[in-house]
Amino acid sequence: DAKTTQPPSMDCAEGRAANLPCNHSTISGNEYVYWYRQIHSQGPQYIIHGLKNNETNEMASLIITEDRKSSTLILPHATLRDTAVYYCIVRPPYNTDKLIFGTGTRLQVFP
Amino acid sequence: NAGVTQTPKFRILKIGQSMTLQCAQDMNHNYMYWYRQDPGMGLKLIYYSVGAGITDKGEVPNGYNVSRSTTEDFPLRLELAAPSQTSVYFCASSSGTGGLGYTFGSGTRLTVV
Repeated sequence: DAKTTQPPSMDCAEGRAANLPCNHSTISGNEYVYWYRQIHSQGPQYIIHGLKNNETNEMASLIITEDRKSSTLILPHATLRDTAVYYCIVRPPYNTDKLIFGTGTRLQVFP
Repeated sequence: NAGVTQTPKFRILKIGQSMTLQCAQDMNHNYMYWYRQDPGMGLKLIYYSVGAGITDKGEVPNGYNVSRSTTEDFPLRLELAAPSQTSVYFCASSSGTGGLGYTFGSGTRLTVV
């Protein structure tokens, strides 16, 4: 599975957009980009995933560059409840369905 | 709908003791996983199962054993507990159709003293 690189931490003001970057320069053609988050000590929560097109759901937007070597998760209006560790994971969709986690980005949303 | 249920939530073990962490899911998912998370670190895959009777090692399997006799249950056994196994353990399940279907339990916090 391709390796990802994320900044260890980021800050964001409440109400502003949080843009979390992820580099995955060795991504293969059939690998998807997945984002999960972990709030405090809870189990990780799925946010969004995509292959090459930009994706949006009720939680976030995912922007994948045209060469697919990097992506950005966007939380359009961050709230204090969005304070969490965010994990970017790349993997084939049917690779026995394993998720391999990196160290993620710790997002702190402040008032 | 309970999702993924882990028991116990907390446990303190003495060095050399053994215990079983329980995990059960009620979503009829074929895939189940055990992860551990050390303080300030990401999750590491211990073992996983793609169906009843089938298990395989993940990134950090040493010191652990698993079994999968039913679709619903995936217990994790610690033999001869060591301080290095102090961690938070998460069980997860998925439908096997990509990362969308992952559901995690609330975790078991284990301390070995």
